Amino acid sequence: DTAVSQTPKYLVTQMGNDKSIKCEQNLGHDTMYWYKQDSKKFLKIMFSYNNKELIINETVPNRFSPKSPDKAHLNLHINSLELGDSAVYFCASSQVAAYGYTFGSGTRLTVV
Amino acid sequence: ELKVEQNPLFLSMQEGKNYTIYCNYSTTSDRLYWYRQDPGKSLESLFVLLSNGAVKQEGRLMASLDTKARLSTLHITAAVHDLSATYFCAVDKKYGGSQGNLIFGKGTKLSVKP
Repeated sequence: DTAVSQTPKYLVTQMGNDKSIKCEQNLGHDTMYWYKQDSKKFLKIMFSYNNKELIINETVPNRFSPKSPDKAHLNLHINSLELGDSAVYFCASSQVAAYGYTFGSGTRLTVV
Repeated sequence: ELKVEQNPLFLSMQEGKNYTIYCNYSTTSDRLYWYRQDPGKSLESLFVLLSNGAVKQEGRLMASLDTKARLSTLHITAAVHDLSATYFCAVDKKYGGSQGNLIFGKGTKLSVKP
């Protein structure tokens, strides 16, 4: 199936731990994103990569570090997790000069 | 700074009734999106509106775009329970050239009651 796939779907971890979320797209898109959806359902861009190059970094704490090994993958590593990091993280992809964004199914992160 | 405002944020409707969700945005943009999100699910693309006066319809939902007024509407006709969900509008923000990303409204939680 052509899609944007994220793993894991659920992640429960203790404060202070380090965790990673992985995202892969097989749509041939050249741009990938991480969005955060908070407890009030508000969606906000965190990062954007175009062909492995960081394009957008929206006032996200340094504890969050995206990595794009190739244009089909964008991973999110979070150090020293805090309670406020609890949210749903969505990966998305698009193609520059086209329209349409495809979202993954989301990763629900719970920090306890 | 591009801001996107939706209203209402909560909407309780009776089945069979009509209603409209409004989406205002603060700077010019040539693309506006409507998404649906069911609880615990991802974002499902409903409509992409690309030009002034664009109107798109799918079933009981119709979306329109007025770029001069910086306003999009999502009209619901004869609501049914299956339409209960949260609806987001989003505007494409450009970072130079064609590179962009979505700026979302806060969403409208729609509940359709019998």
